[in-house]
Amino acid sequence: AAGVIQSPRHLIKEKRETATLKCYPIPRHDTVYWYQQGPGQDPQFLISFYEKMQSDKGSIPDRFSAQQFSDYHSELNMSSLELGDSALYFCASSLAVTRKGSPLHFGNGTRLTVT
Amino acid sequence: DAKTTQPTSMDCAEGRAANLPCNHSTISGNEYVYWYRQIHSQGPQYIIHGLKNNETNEMASLIITEDRKSSTLILPHATLRDTAVYYCIVKGNQGGKLIFGQGTELSVKP
Repeated sequence: AAGVIQSPRHLIKEKRETATLKCYPIPRHDTVYWYQQGPGQDPQFLISFYEKMQSDKGSIPDRFSAQQFSDYHSELNMSSLELGDSALYFCASSLAVTRKGSPLHFGNGTRLTVT
Repeated sequence: DAKTTQPTSMDCAEGRAANLPCNHSTISGNEYVYWYRQIHSQGPQYIIHGLKNNETNEMASLIITEDRKSSTLILPHATLRDTAVYYCIVKGNQGGKLIFGQGTELSVKP
């Protein structure tokens, strides 16, 4: 079965640079979520989109923005990168409404290293 | 979403059943119990979810108590590849984020 695809798998940037992470959800899923996981931490929710509109917002820095496009893929844009932004970034997708619960399915993440 | 409580760590012998408990005493009527696991540096993997009935799939079984205040994830024959952090998360039926708290670090030993 098709899974959530994230690109790139690894990214190395310098401080103050920008980065763009991409996420392709499971076909027919209408909701995309972004998570950040620092070393030794649990995944932290950043932001989500339903039908191309922002649906929820978590601890996403103002330097970050995201959007969902008409084909449902999503991009996380990160500017003025800081050393502390080094982390794994996961994307997940789901169906917004189902009769039997709506599990999120995660991609394998992008490992961002800021030097 | 209701808060969950899990043991910090557990060990299990290879080939034996792994029983991972979770308390969710404040769960509300329309909230599901979800289980995920994360193998080191990989994306969280969905395992199973349930509302009030016990559930089983190819990966695991989920036993939910009648009052729904606790549940147990059962891996019937644990292998070394089941070593991971297991998260029990309560979430409503509608679409919405998962909030990851402290999970259980399961170590399967030969």
